[in-house]
Amino acid sequence: DIQMTQSPSTLSASVGDRVTITCRASQHINRWLAWYQQRPGKAPNLLISKASNLESGVPSRFSGSGSGTEFTLTISSLQSDDFATYYCQAYSGFSFGQGTKLEIK
Amino acid sequence: QVQLQESGPGLVKPSQTLSLTCTVSGDSTSNSLFYWYWIRQPAGRGLEYIGRIYTSGSTNYNPSLESRVTISIDTSKNQFSLTLSSVTAADTAVYYCARGPYGAYRYYLDNWGQGTLVTVSS
Repeated sequence: DIQMTQSPSTLSASVGDRVTITCRASQHINRWLAWYQQRPGKAPNLLISKASNLESGVPSRFSGSGSGTEFTLTISSLQSDDFATYYCQAYSGFSFGQGTKLEIK
Repeated sequence: QVQLQESGPGLVKPSQTLSLTCTVSGDSTSNSLFYWYWIRQPAGRGLEYIGRIYTSGSTNYNPSLESRVTISIDTSKNQFSLTLSSVTAADTAVYYCARGPYGAYRYYLDNWGQGTLVTVSS
């Protein structure tokens, strides 16, 4: 099984900050990775597929990069709507990371 | 715009079988371009893949749940369903149905239902 590890588990930041979340895979997964945003009490929402493909309707301040075993999700300038929990997901085995909670500092 | 809606009992007794249905609107479960998924999330915890089904009836399950899970599809009703047998308190979670694109190396979820809480308790 592929294990996905996100860091940090919690991230405190302010509106306007640039933040980066890291996701590491226990095995090489090429670029087969997705990122989701989940607000409290809501279903997750797909942000990025294939490591860096921004989904339609997702603001351009979100970007993804990486390949192999290390991936990042970057938010270039935090907005109030962005405070949520973020999950990475490897296509293989459909393995999710444990989540990164982005909190207001 | 596709919409997915979970339905089923919110309370199940231990050792019994959990049964949920997902009703799809704005798309068809006969659509050859998509898989149909079940995902769950215990309170305050992360997401867990349960399994998926294709319009043909072909399925894939999480190995850790495979012995207890069945996913089926009813294209005439535009629904797909989940049964999970021999439940315990560890199966208490919000259960989501979702849609994802079909094809190799395309295993992600582009639309989700709102989720339904299932509690396992006597």
